[in-house]
Amino acid sequence: SQKIEQNSEALNIQEGKTATLTCNYTNYSPAYLQWYRQDPGRGPVFLLLIRENEKEKRKERLKVTFDTTLKQSLFHITASQPADSATYLCALGGSSNTGKLIFGQGTTLQVKP
Amino acid sequence: GAVVSQHPSWVICKSGTSVKIECRSLDFQATTMFWYRQFPKQSLMLMATSNEGSKATYEQGVEKDKFLINHASLTLSTLTVTSAHPEDSSFYICSASGRLGGEETQYFGPGTRLLVL
Repeated sequence: SQKIEQNSEALNIQEGKTATLTCNYTNYSPAYLQWYRQDPGRGPVFLLLIRENEKEKRKERLKVTFDTTLKQSLFHITASQPADSATYLCALGGSSNTGKLIFGQGTTLQVKP
Repeated sequence: GAVVSQHPSWVICKSGTSVKIECRSLDFQATTMFWYRQFPKQSLMLMATSNEGSKATYEQGVEKDKFLINHASLTLSTLTVTSAHPEDSSFYICSASGRLGGEETQYFGPGTRLLVL
């Protein structure tokens, strides 16, 4: 069955450092992959989308890589700030054009001042 | 742009009652909306895909007679939890498909926390 794995342990880093979060998947060939941010008690907020034919995508302090051979995506936040503290979810989308997403369980990031 | 609202934001009800949750896309039209359920420290689990003007498509293991979905317009989908029981207590989140900046993605509502006593 399709499986998405994100590091379930919280990631604690110092302000100013680069945070790197990992998303691995098996038994799936996604057409695209998305990253969302979720704060406690709130709905997820879309951050970035990367397609299967793209290796890397950037948006301000965010960078996403997508390796379809390794079946892995890395999500980087450079110059991290305490306000970046949240849970980050990766989600895979298929080519069936239904728009359905399969979500990982998320990794909680804590940036300490 | 791309704002999705949910109402109510939280609800407490007695076991056996029905609860209706509304999901609205405020500034765009969404032919497709999705309903998720999220338990504490767990991932979002897709319950069903709601298409305007047609029947919802439910994921495996989700009882369609218990979780009634109505997508009556391009800006409104409703989820009714019928005869709610304590095990239905969860965080229910809807999303609407939209395109912003050229990217087709899902825009999520703020969620509805349901507590069944």
